[in-house]
Amino acid sequence: AQTVTQSQPEMSVQEAETVTLSCTYDTSENNYYLFWYKQPPSRQMILVIRQEAYKQQNATENRFSVNFQKAAKSFSLKISDSQLGDTAMYFCAFIFAGGTSYGKLTFGQGTILTVHP
Amino acid sequence: EAGVAQSPRYKIIEKRQSVAFWCNPISGHATLYWYQQILGQGPKLLIQFQNNGVVDDSQLPKDRFSAERLKGVDSTLKIQPAKLEDSAVYLCASSLDWSGQRGYEQFFGPGTRLTVL
Repeated sequence: AQTVTQSQPEMSVQEAETVTLSCTYDTSENNYYLFWYKQPPSRQMILVIRQEAYKQQNATENRFSVNFQKAAKSFSLKISDSQLGDTAMYFCAFIFAGGTSYGKLTFGQGTILTVHP
Repeated sequence: EAGVAQSPRYKIIEKRQSVAFWCNPISGHATLYWYQQILGQGPKLLIQFQNNGVVDDSQLPKDRFSAERLKGVDSTLKIQPAKLEDSAVYLCASSLDWSGQRGYEQFFGPGTRLTVL
């Protein structure tokens, strides 16, 4: 079974600065996807960024980028130029891309990020 | 494009009562998911439908929870009878399919917050 661990229950950052959220996962599979989801206080879960395990290049989406270390099973999220709207709960998630577990997202416990003005 | 719709947004019931939640996925999305998110935790998959067939319901407490997706579109999740530990946010999500690169992106609804007294 896959597990996803986020060891930082809460993080805070000043507006315009950079923050990194950590995530580690455990799997024996080789073909999978990793995601970071954002859940603002309104509770609508939004996909922030996705990484395919077979790709060596780290994914980037505007101010969001990941550091994917497959051997270490580490998948951190870096938010540059933090904005007040980035305040939310962030979840790291895993999907196995094969077998009978298609579509089953396994989430970490979440990290509450607060951006201060 | 309209997002995933859920109703009601909030529900308060007494223990041992029954409750039902409704979800309308994004048009054309074949796969529908119900997640349970207990306060302070990541979402946990309860059941996954592909069109109107069940793909995975291994974590659904079948003695009290039931779900259906008639005609492969809308879905209803029911709890009968409710227990105190069922207090949570129930999230519905949908994806184009359950495999392939596009299938791994799940779109979430706003959720239904259930309080059991």
